[in-house]
Amino acid sequence: QQQVKQSPQSLIVQKGGISIINCAYENTAFDYFPWYQQFPGKGPALLIAIRPDVSEKKEGRFTISFNKSAKQFSLHIMDSQPGDSATYFCAARDSNYQLIWGAGTKLIIKP
Amino acid sequence: NAGVTQTPKFQVLKTGQSMTLQCAQDMNHNSMYWYRQDPGMGLRLIYYSASEGTTDKGEVPNGYNVSRLNKREFSLRLESAAPSQTSVYFCALKLSSSTDTQYFGPGTRLTVL
Repeated sequence: QQQVKQSPQSLIVQKGGISIINCAYENTAFDYFPWYQQFPGKGPALLIAIRPDVSEKKEGRFTISFNKSAKQFSLHIMDSQPGDSATYFCAARDSNYQLIWGAGTKLIIKP
Repeated sequence: NAGVTQTPKFQVLKTGQSMTLQCAQDMNHNSMYWYRQDPGMGLRLIYYSASEGTTDKGEVPNGYNVSRLNKREFSLRLESAAPSQTSVYFCALKLSSSTDTQYFGPGTRLTVL
């Protein structure tokens, strides 16, 4: 119930392509869904976030798609660039206001 | 303005040794967190502190203790280190009560032999 399942574990995308990372959850009490980006040797940093009353949120090349009925949300990176190479984590906020984290996706953008 | 600082950046311990990981903030936020990050397991919450003088257990508190003596500092102590505690440890702040946005420190890489 408290898990957030993230896939794939790793992803290689050509420069200019679309990167897609998926997350799924079971707990319908989750009410806030952020994505964090982590570069090697650094701590994670908030990238973009969405609430369940919205189906899509876009910030530049980054878009979150949210499907409440399917209990799934995904991160799309359009026109992927080598600088986007990083590990991406999805998360969900539970009723205790704690974040439950996905396992992470290592994204490599090939030039 | 350093934000969140963690010391040390790297540490190697022998099994059974003790040590304290330090975290300090200059951003004046109440809530602080300690996470561990292991490959393929994401971030797991060890302990958190909603305010000075209060602490609560997270998902994986066994083998750790914490101390929040003032608003600025939140320390994590390993009393008797075990190889299973080899990990990267992150301290984080909660920036916003409405969204739970968390701001992370640079991490401490700990190896227990």
